[in-house]
Amino acid sequence: EVQLVESGGDLVQPGGSLRLSCVASGFTFSDYWMSWVRQAPGKGLEWVANIKDDGSKKYYVGSVRGRFTISRDNAKKSLYLQMDNLRAEDTAVYYCARERVGSAVAADYWGQGTLVTVSS
Amino acid sequence: DIQMTQSPSSLSAYVGDRVTITCQASQDISKYLNWYQHKPGKAPRLLIYDAINLQTGVPSRFSGSGSGTHFTFIISSLQPEDVATYYCQQYSTFGQGTKLEIK
Repeated sequence: EVQLVESGGDLVQPGGSLRLSCVASGFTFSDYWMSWVRQAPGKGLEWVANIKDDGSKKYYVGSVRGRFTISRDNAKKSLYLQMDNLRAEDTAVYYCARERVGSAVAADYWGQGTLVTVSS
Repeated sequence: DIQMTQSPSSLSAYVGDRVTITCQASQDISKYLNWYQHKPGKAPRLLIYDAINLQTGVPSRFSGSGSGTHFTFIISSLQPEDVATYYCQQYSTFGQGTKLEIK
């Protein structure tokens, strides 16, 4: 059974940093692109970043580029999101998602999400 | 950047009704359009990928069509468990969402 379990969400002050983790199981992690997607309170889904199966390519939404860094450790079957210089508008539930092979950014499995709150 | 315009933003229908949601891209995106269902407190669920393909395990009352700039998502016979918000997605861009309720 495919499982994705996020952790690391917390309350952090504006300008602070946080690192989210996502541990995968039930599939060959190193075969898949992975994504982070977020949902701010009362808002819709927003794609944040994704990373190629071998970690060689990374893409970001404009609002986080230069502040967030996506990475992975295939040996640990883990995906990460390092978030620096956090802003109030980064407050959201952050989901880790697996991208379906052969379909552009179609996320076929998702974690349950981890809540990040940026507030003083 | 490609813009995705999803409509309507909300929808109320009876059980058994046919429900249609549309998504318009600001430029040709070929077949690269996905549809998701999202219920509060749950993880989003992929329903349709590459415009027309039903994800494994998804009931056949859900379907998608379209290519280029205009895409349609249909629930052929609305069920109570379909109450959710539905999103289209093209690569890094999600539509604004359609909140579906039962009358």
